Amino acid sequence: AQSVTQLGSHVSVSEGALVLLRCNYSSSVPPYLFWYVQYPNQGLQLLLKYTTGATLVKGINGFEAEFKKSETSFHLTKPSAHMSDAAEYFCAVSDWYSSASKIIFGSGTRLSIRP
Amino acid sequence: DAGVIQSPRHEVTEMGQEVTLRCKPISGHNSLFWYRQTMMRGLELLIYFNNNVPIDDSGMPEDRFSAKMPNASFSTLKIQPSEPRDSAVYFCASKTGSDTEAFFGQGTRLTVV
Repeated sequence: AQSVTQLGSHVSVSEGALVLLRCNYSSSVPPYLFWYVQYPNQGLQLLLKYTTGATLVKGINGFEAEFKKSETSFHLTKPSAHMSDAAEYFCAVSDWYSSASKIIFGSGTRLSIRP
Repeated sequence: DAGVIQSPRHEVTEMGQEVTLRCKPISGHNSLFWYRQTMMRGLELLIYFNNNVPIDDSGMPEDRFSAKMPNASFSTLKIQPSEPRDSAVYFCASKTGSDTEAFFGQGTRLTVV
């Protein structure tokens, strides 16, 4: 079975500061990993994904994440926070084993940006 | 591309009533997922379909919940009878077999009073 653990339900940073949102996964097969963002009253939007190849992946809005197999982690970072980054962020895991794979989400991390 | 379309966007109903949520996946997508989002439990996978066939419904909370996908362009999630604890935002998402990620609709906010 696959699972995702997001450390910290709420993270607050100052505008211009580093953003670090933590995600650890559990999977019995090589995973696909995702970060999604949800703005208020909206659906989830894909930020970035790791499937195979380069372990450092870049996404939209200046975010990036690094897949570390030895640590079973996929932490999301952004060098400099912007007010518009305030949202809920979800880490998710799937597997490549089947085209009919399900996608399992973590509990989410709410990111607040202080002026 | 219109994206995943869910209706209604908001639904308020009385306890005991039947509620039907609807989803139109992106054309050409053959996997469809229903999720429920609450403050307490986060984003839970309720059921998902592949090629219109339910693959895993282990997340469906009780027999009051049922989901169908009669064709590739339409799915419903029904709650009968509804209860106040069913109040949540319900999301539908779809993907193709070659996609790695799922594409989400805007959600249906259900309130049961």
